[in-house]
Amino acid sequence: AQSVAQPEDQVNVAEGNPLTVKCTYSVSGNPYLFWYVQYPNRGLQFLLKYITGDNLVKGSYGFEAEFNKSQTSFHLKKPSALVSDSALYFCAVRDGTGYALNFGKGTSLLVTP
Amino acid sequence: EAQVTQNPRYLITVTGKKLTVTCSQNMNHEYMSWYRQDPGLGLRQIYYSMNVEVTDKGDVPEGYKVSRKEKRNFPLILESPSPNQTSLYFCASSFGHGGARNTEAFFGQGTRLTVV
Repeated sequence: AQSVAQPEDQVNVAEGNPLTVKCTYSVSGNPYLFWYVQYPNRGLQFLLKYITGDNLVKGSYGFEAEFNKSQTSFHLKKPSALVSDSALYFCAVRDGTGYALNFGKGTSLLVTP
Repeated sequence: EAQVTQNPRYLITVTGKKLTVTCSQNMNHEYMSWYRQDPGLGLRQIYYSMNVEVTDKGDVPEGYKVSRKEKRNFPLILESPSPNQTSLYFCASSFGHGGARNTEAFFGQGTRLTVV
């Protein structure tokens, strides 16, 4: 079975500071890892994914994520947060046997001016 | 424009009154699924479909039905809605063949359902 944990319900950061949203996963075999963002009253928007290769993947809006196989983590990062980054962020995993995405519970990011 | 379209966006209904939430995608995706989103629980899969006439239960299928008569459409049916089905619902689609597990899913805008 595959699962995802997002240990923080909320992350607060000041504008201009770096941000990290944590995600750990459990999956048999090689994982396919995704980050999505949800703005209020909107659907989920794809940010980035890790499939294979370089452990640091870059995505939309200046976000990047670091894959760490030994720690089974896929943390989302951004060097300098913007107020407009405030949203709900979801980490998701798909294993190598099916197409279902298994989501974490989400982390609410609040960036203050 | 590639998109997943859900309707309606908002729906208030009464207990027991059958309803259908429609979902349509224009990307020729094989795999479609429905999720419900509840605070503190994230997104949980209700049903999914690998292709036309192929559907299966997800993690929380009780009280829901789906059908897949055409590749582009995947409606969610609540035969007798109850208040515990009040939630935010999302339809999603992605490629579902061969090595397509590395492709991202596309989501609709969501349907906020309230059952009173």
